[in-house]
Amino acid sequence: DVKVTQSSRYLVKRTGEKVFLECVQDMDHENMFWYRQDPGLGLRLIYFSYDVKMKEKGDIPEGYSVSREKKERFSLILESASTNQTSMYLCASTLSGGEVQPQHFGDGTRLSIL
Amino acid sequence: QQPVQSPQAVILREGEDAVINCSSSKALYSVHWYRQKHGEAPVFLMILLKGGEQKGHEKISASFNEKKQQSSLYLTASQLSYSGTYFCGTRAYSGAGSYQLTFGKGTKLSVIP
Repeated sequence: DVKVTQSSRYLVKRTGEKVFLECVQDMDHENMFWYRQDPGLGLRLIYFSYDVKMKEKGDIPEGYSVSREKKERFSLILESASTNQTSMYLCASTLSGGEVQPQHFGDGTRLSIL
Repeated sequence: QQPVQSPQAVILREGEDAVINCSSSKALYSVHWYRQKHGEAPVFLMILLKGGEQKGHEKISASFNEKKQQSSLYLTASQLSYSGTYFCGTRAYSGAGSYQLTFGKGTKLSVIP
């Protein structure tokens, strides 16, 4: 089974801090994604990556950046955390050539910005 | 633009049936369905492709009307284990190699004894 691991289940940070959320997958997937999930809003795509050192903006990239230095690892960075970035963050991965490939999700990181 | 899911929430008794709809304003290539239980990661249920090919598992079925850009998820003879929030994810026509999905806001399904 595919395993997508997010480094923390819960994280509390302060306004203005630089925050790193880490995601690792163990199935050599080319594509990786970061979503945030808020009540009543569903899953919204922040950034995604098709390959190492490659990144594309999703629907809500403002205030975030990403890093993909190795194929298995995709990091989400909050450059200067703000209270409106308090949310559940989900990482996902999938194979390329993959119209029929599902996305595999991690358990999520619940981030609180105080 | 997010696809629109309906209903937003539904309560069923065990054994009853339910239909969850997903509608997009864009021409779609495929539709994914996921279920998320409280405190857990979303789990893949099914993919429906343009042309009618369907993949999935469990005792849940789905349809995809390409002309109307709509998909429906059918849960028959519901079980307590079906409770959770169901999300559709749509892939619109875009450049080659684009596998990003746009998810709806979800439908919360509660099955009671």
